[in-house]
Amino acid sequence: QKEVEQNSGPLSVPEGAIASLNCTYSDRGSQSFFWYRQYSGKSPELIMSIYSNGDKEDGRFTAQLNKASQYVSLLIRDSQPSDSATYLCAELVGRGSTLGRLYFGRGTQLTVWP
Amino acid sequence: KAGVTQTPRYLIKTRGQQVTLSCSPISGHRSVSWYQQTPGQGLQFLFEYFSETQRNKGNFPGRFSGRQFSNSRSEMNVSTLELGDSALYLCASSLEGGAPYEQYFGPGTRLTVT
Repeated sequence: QKEVEQNSGPLSVPEGAIASLNCTYSDRGSQSFFWYRQYSGKSPELIMSIYSNGDKEDGRFTAQLNKASQYVSLLIRDSQPSDSATYLCAELVGRGSTLGRLYFGRGTQLTVWP
Repeated sequence: KAGVTQTPRYLIKTRGQQVTLSCSPISGHRSVSWYQQTPGQGLQFLFEYFSETQRNKGNFPGRFSGRQFSNSRSEMNVSTLELGDSALYLCASSLEGGAPYEQYFGPGTRLTVT
């Protein structure tokens, strides 16, 4: 049974702080991971993808992947109230012609207070 | 470039009825995946289509079915609706081939079964 576990939260940080969101996965063969942001009442929005060990930075967002320890994290620097949302971690499962299935964690609700 | 579109956005049906939801992927995207999101179960994979063929299927009963057309547009059908089918149904499209196989979600169809 493939599982993606996220720190349950909710997470609350002050404006300007660093928000750290974590995710662990059970399938050692998984290669690709994604972070989605979902505002209340909206659909998930892709904000980061990562498939190599190490860090990947995009603006205020940094995704980190550690395949040996099977965890993925998302850091949000200089957090803003507009970052308040639920963040979903997803793992892409499959190879070749069977690609296409994402397993999602339950999400971590982040609140950034002014 | 236009995003993923889904119709209708909201739907109210009665138990026992059937429903068809439609999804138009981003232009050039040939893979379409469907997900169900509920507060209790989170985001769960229904099925994925590529080149008019179902390539992956999640653990949902046979009442849930789908298809894809030659223009990559996709439909999903739920027959004999149950109260538990009330959910947000999300369609996601992706560009086949190469990394990183990112999936982009549409706005969703909110289905309420009474």
